[in-house]
Amino acid sequence: DTAVSQTPKYLVTQMGNDKSIKCEQNLGHDTMYWYKQDSKKFLKIMFSYNNKELIINETVPNRFSPKSPDKAHLNLHINSLELGDSAVYFCASSQVPQMRGNTEAFFGQGTRLTVV
Amino acid sequence: SQQGEEDPQALSIQEGENATMNCSYKTSINNLQWYRQNSGRGLVHLILIRSNEREKHSGRLRVTLDTSKKSSSLLITASRAADTASYFCATANIYNQGGKLIFGQGTELSVKP
Repeated sequence: DTAVSQTPKYLVTQMGNDKSIKCEQNLGHDTMYWYKQDSKKFLKIMFSYNNKELIINETVPNRFSPKSPDKAHLNLHINSLELGDSAVYFCASSQVPQMRGNTEAFFGQGTRLTVV
Repeated sequence: SQQGEEDPQALSIQEGENATMNCSYKTSINNLQWYRQNSGRGLVHLILIRSNEREKHSGRLRVTLDTSKKSSSLLITASRAADTASYFCATANIYNQGGKLIFGQGTELSVKP
């Protein structure tokens, strides 16, 4: 039973395309996140949702749009993909938002996006 | 902005030896967390240490936190080949930065059998 699952695991697409990555958690957590890990393994938060409400929105191009239909799902849609979007995108969840207390994050396996 | 910085960036040891990784950060924190990432996989939480704690143990892992020096260390004792992975520290400050976890760039640990 995968706690945080994201699909697809690999995504190869051409510049200019629009793509989505899906994430689901079965932990009953209130909070979900999207992180981007670059080629140097640097992890940076992009978005965070708490109970379907956006609570963290980092400086990310507006081509990236998160959507949370319910608290167990957080999808990431990317428009007009660029070469620089190539990275590994991780979904994560935590019981409550970090701002409410000391809580660990559970990560999905990652989606390796390659834009050609 | 990047908060945690791990040191060393890469560490290679023999099985059975101890591995020590360090993390330094810049601003005040509420907690510091250590994660492990195996190649091609997601991050796995190892230990969370609160700002009012100085040391924490979990199995072969020992984490220390020195808030006066804004630094933390992760010690893995009696290392095994299966410990080969990247290790990241992450800090959380619930009053600034929206409480988000800010990660360092990690230490790549290689444990040779």
